[in-house]
Amino acid sequence: DAKTTQPNSMESNEEEPVHLPCNHSTISGTDYIHWYRQLPSQGPEYVIHGLTSNVNNRMASLAIAEDRKSSTLILHRATLRDAAVYYCIPTNYGGSQGNLIFGKGTKLSVKP
Amino acid sequence: EAGVAQSPRYKIIEKRQSVAFWCNPISGHATLYWYQQILGQGPKLLIQFQNNGVVDDSQLPKDRFSAERLKGVDSTLKIQPAKLEDSAVYLCASSFIRGWNYGYTFGSGTRLTVV
Repeated sequence: DAKTTQPNSMESNEEEPVHLPCNHSTISGTDYIHWYRQLPSQGPEYVIHGLTSNVNNRMASLAIAEDRKSSTLILHRATLRDAAVYYCIPTNYGGSQGNLIFGKGTKLSVKP
Repeated sequence: EAGVAQSPRYKIIEKRQSVAFWCNPISGHATLYWYQQILGQGPKLLIQFQNNGVVDDSQLPKDRFSAERLKGVDSTLKIQPAKLEDSAVYLCASSFIRGWNYGYTFGSGTRLTVV
């Protein structure tokens, strides 16, 4: 499994964009980059995933570096509900185990 | 659709006692996972089921932890005897197909405190 490096914590103001970085320099060519987040007192929830191209969905955007050694999760307008721990998880789609391996993630605080 | 159901929500036991957690996954999800999350850390996979068979239990402390998924639907995770270091949140997750890593749905977890 690819190792990841994420900031321990970040702060944002409400309604401003947030860029959450992740380094995954040992990622393999077949690993997808998944992002999950965990709101307080809840289990993790899926946010977005991608392989090479940038991806958008209703929750966020994912920008993937050309060499795929890093990615950035973008929340376009942070709300108080976005305060959570964000996990970046490179993992092989359809891999032999198909498991999500979580690191410590980035704790995002959103100020009103 | 209904989410992943877990019970109880909280449990406090003394060390050396036994405890069991229950999980009902999303209907139709073949793959079920149990994770342990210690305070301040990310979830750690304990065991993965595909239908009613174990796919991966390499991180399960088998001397005290056991899990089963009879009939390939709901699942039970048991700890016997509990130790202080077992204090954690136990999360259950399910996915439609093994390998669909974007398709995990987690329950809210059971918070276990061992005193």
